[in-house]
Amino acid sequence: DAGVTQTPRHEVAEKGQTIILKCEPVSGHNDLFWYRQTKIQGLELLSYFRSKSLMEDGGAFKDRFKAEMLNSSFSTLKIQPTEPKDSAVYLCASRRTGSNERLFFGHGTKLSVL
Amino acid sequence: GQQVKQSSPSLTVQEGGISILNCDYENDMFDYFAWYKKYPDNSPTLLISVRSNVDKREDGRLTVFLNKSGKHFSLHITASQPEDTAVYLCAAGAMGTGNYKYVFGAGTRLKVIA
Repeated sequence: DAGVTQTPRHEVAEKGQTIILKCEPVSGHNDLFWYRQTKIQGLELLSYFRSKSLMEDGGAFKDRFKAEMLNSSFSTLKIQPTEPKDSAVYLCASRRTGSNERLFFGHGTKLSVL
Repeated sequence: GQQVKQSSPSLTVQEGGISILNCDYENDMFDYFAWYKKYPDNSPTLLISVRSNVDKREDGRLTVFLNKSGKHFSLHITASQPEDTAVYLCAAGAMGTGNYKYVFGAGTRLKVIA
């Protein structure tokens, strides 16, 4: 079984650019999460989808961060415009609906904003 | 503010000793508690989890203790080994409310030295 796939693994952007991160959840998983990971804050929730419906978007991230789930097997996270403080690892995770426990994480996208 | 806190950003333990990782939470509605392990350049993976109806769960060298009145849970690793060196993330969820998101702590970096 394929796990959660995230692309790209690394992204370097200039301040003010638009970047799009991609995620493919585990096949059959209907819950999808986007997290941002930093050393200070740890894992911060950006968005949570259940069966493609947006259940929650992290309030502090609404203005420049937009997550979408166009179909059950693909999600994107757009950051527009990027700022240096957005430099972090962005993790996507999925979970079977009805299984309220184990999250399967992707390897993440390491974003550096110059 | 952070709902789930790991007060120790790092911990060093001698090989063979007991590693004790701590996590405090604020939300009384949390009823699911978990520990994830993350190696550098790898994604977090679930180690062990408990529901709020138990106060202890063992799995091999791992034991989770839950203190609901103190809003605290911990992970004990006995006979610690160098391969236990990693970042450990605690997580909590309020499954009983129908909100299935997890809140993570910032992580504790464990180093087991020979």
